[in-house]
Amino acid sequence: EAGVVQSPRYKIIEKKQPVAFWCNPISGHNTLYWYLQNLGQGPELLIRYENEEAVDDSQLPKDRFSAERLKGVDSTLKIQPAELGDSAVYLCASSLATSGRVGEQYFGPGTRLTVT
Amino acid sequence: AQRVTQPEKLLSVFKGAPVELKCNYSYSGSPELFWYVQYSRQRLQLLLRHISRESIKGFTADLNKGETSFHLKKPFAQEEDSAMYYCALSGHGGFKTIFGAGTRLFVKA
Repeated sequence: EAGVVQSPRYKIIEKKQPVAFWCNPISGHNTLYWYLQNLGQGPELLIRYENEEAVDDSQLPKDRFSAERLKGVDSTLKIQPAELGDSAVYLCASSLATSGRVGEQYFGPGTRLTVT
Repeated sequence: AQRVTQPEKLLSVFKGAPVELKCNYSYSGSPELFWYVQYSRQRLQLLLRHISRESIKGFTADLNKGETSFHLKKPFAQEEDSAMYYCALSGHGGFKTIFGAGTRLFVKA
């Protein structure tokens, strides 16, 4: 089992360019999370999916960020256009959440985005 | 509002000394508390959760609802414990997880 897979691992783009991150969760995990982690900070939730449904996207800056989870498996997070302040590590995690409780979250290696 | 506070950004101890990483939380309901750890060049992973009441790698954490704390403790620190530690809180039924800013533990030989 490879665990949660993310690509690319690193991305450098110029401001105003689009960028996309991809995540493949652990097989069978119904819940998928995208987090943003700034230097010196803990992960901050951007969006959470239960199967195909985005059940919490309150922290997602919808003017420039979008996400989708096709068929309740893989997920893509997109930024268009990117700004300098978007430079951070983007983490994907998955879990098997049961009713009323958060399951253990398994994290991917993250994508380090640098916007110049 | 949910909030997790880890007051120490860096904690440095000698090998064999006791270690305590502090975590305080703010939540009006019944919380689920976790400790996640990130070793150098590895991904973030769960260390322990309060509902399982386990000791993992010699670490324990007790949920103190009166003091709203979930401090992580180990009686004798080892060099391999050097890592970044994050306390996390989830509201029951809400599934949203809030992470603290993290504490870097450095265990000196």
